[in-house]
Amino acid sequence: AQKVTQTQTSISVMEKTTVTMDCVYETQDSSYFLFWYKQTASGEIVFLIRQDSYKKENATVGHYSLNFQKPKSSIGLIITATQIEDSAVYFCAMREGDTNAYKVIFGKGTHLHVLP
Amino acid sequence: DPKIIQKPKYLVAVTGSEKILICEQYLGHNAMYWYRQSAKKPLEFMFSYSYQKLMDNQTASSRFQPQSSKKNHLDLQITALKPDDSATYFCASSRPGQANSDYTFGSGTRLLVI
Repeated sequence: AQKVTQTQTSISVMEKTTVTMDCVYETQDSSYFLFWYKQTASGEIVFLIRQDSYKKENATVGHYSLNFQKPKSSIGLIITATQIEDSAVYFCAMREGDTNAYKVIFGKGTHLHVLP
Repeated sequence: DPKIIQKPKYLVAVTGSEKILICEQYLGHNAMYWYRQSAKKPLEFMFSYSYQKLMDNQTASSRFQPQSSKKNHLDLQITALKPDDSATYFCASSRPGQANSDYTFGSGTRLLVI
């Protein structure tokens, strides 16, 4: 069974610094897809970035990048030059790709506080 | 304009009653989902539909019934409501047949059962 674990409940960083949020996953599938989503204080959930398991290059979108360590089943989210508006809850998620399953499993989330 | 519309935004219901949560998406997606978020179990998968057919059901209780009257609709009927059903219910959609397709979420319906 697939599982996604985020052990960091809350992180506080100073504005304009770099932060890394951890995520480990469990899957029996050889093909899978990893996602990070952001939930703002208003409750809105938005997609940020994706890593396909068969790609060796770490994905990068704007000031978000991933640290994909496949042997460790780890997919960390890196946010550079953090801004106050990056304060939110960040969810790691996974979908297995070898079946017809459409289900995406989410971790419990990491609450990021960016301080001025 | 919102791409996924969920109605109502807030809902207060009496224990034992029945409610329907509405979800409409205007993204041209054919895969739709329901998730529940509460303090106890953040973003818990409930159902997935593809081309109006049920693909996956992870909800143990038959009190939760999705209904797809149109291809861009996936409503959620909840019967015999219990206080434990209090949560925010999110509808989402994606392109079917593409496992790497990300979700677009609606803004959620916050349900309180008293």
